[in-house]
Amino acid sequence: GAVVSQHPSWVICKSGTSVKIECRSLDFQATTMFWYRQFPKQSLMLMATSNEGSKATYEQGVEKDKFLINHASLTLSTLTVTSAHPEDSSFYICSAAKVAGGGRTVGELFFGEGSRLTVL
Amino acid sequence: DAKTTQPTSMDCAEGRAANLPCNHSTISGNEYVYWYRQIHSQGPQYIIHGLKNNETNEMASLIITEDRKSSTLILPHATLRDTAVYYCIVRVAGGSNYKLTFGKGTLLTVNP
Repeated sequence: GAVVSQHPSWVICKSGTSVKIECRSLDFQATTMFWYRQFPKQSLMLMATSNEGSKATYEQGVEKDKFLINHASLTLSTLTVTSAHPEDSSFYICSAAKVAGGGRTVGELFFGEGSRLTVL
Repeated sequence: DAKTTQPTSMDCAEGRAANLPCNHSTISGNEYVYWYRQIHSQGPQYIIHGLKNNETNEMASLIITEDRKSSTLILPHATLRDTAVYYCIVRVAGGSNYKLTFGKGTLLTVNP
């Protein structure tokens, strides 16, 4: 099956610093990747849609200047949490859509293992 | 995307079949039913999806009612490792808008 890898799997940082999380599709190309955030005992909330070679599309209420997304290649998208604060502590998860032949996407999205961010 | 309704939690005995229901009465003709699960502190895992015909793979079976307003995910022989939150999601497959919107899901607990 398709594999999506996130790095780091967990990170602890001081308040005010920036943290970068990488999302890689290891065995397929992904023109579109999605970033989610999950707080304890809650469901996944979509933050933004990342498209290769173009600007990300952010969901309502998500600050684009705080959560910087870059999708520079068909296998890599990055999420940078800038000037992180304790309230940004969360489980960040990416997913990628596998591109089938002819540019179509297959039905399912594949998810990374998640990255747990703790801001002190 | 159409909204789905799932029970908050369910229990199942190890080795027995787990039947997880999902209501999606406002589903559109071009929307598929997807099932994902999330084991604690991991990313969601794709299980199965279907449009109107019943589907089966190595993980589970998906039974969709004829009017497509509800479906049931069946894990034929549940194991302790199947304990997870199961999400039923309806959306259009492929195209330009194929993001997944997660509801609260069903917490399935498989008991020994």
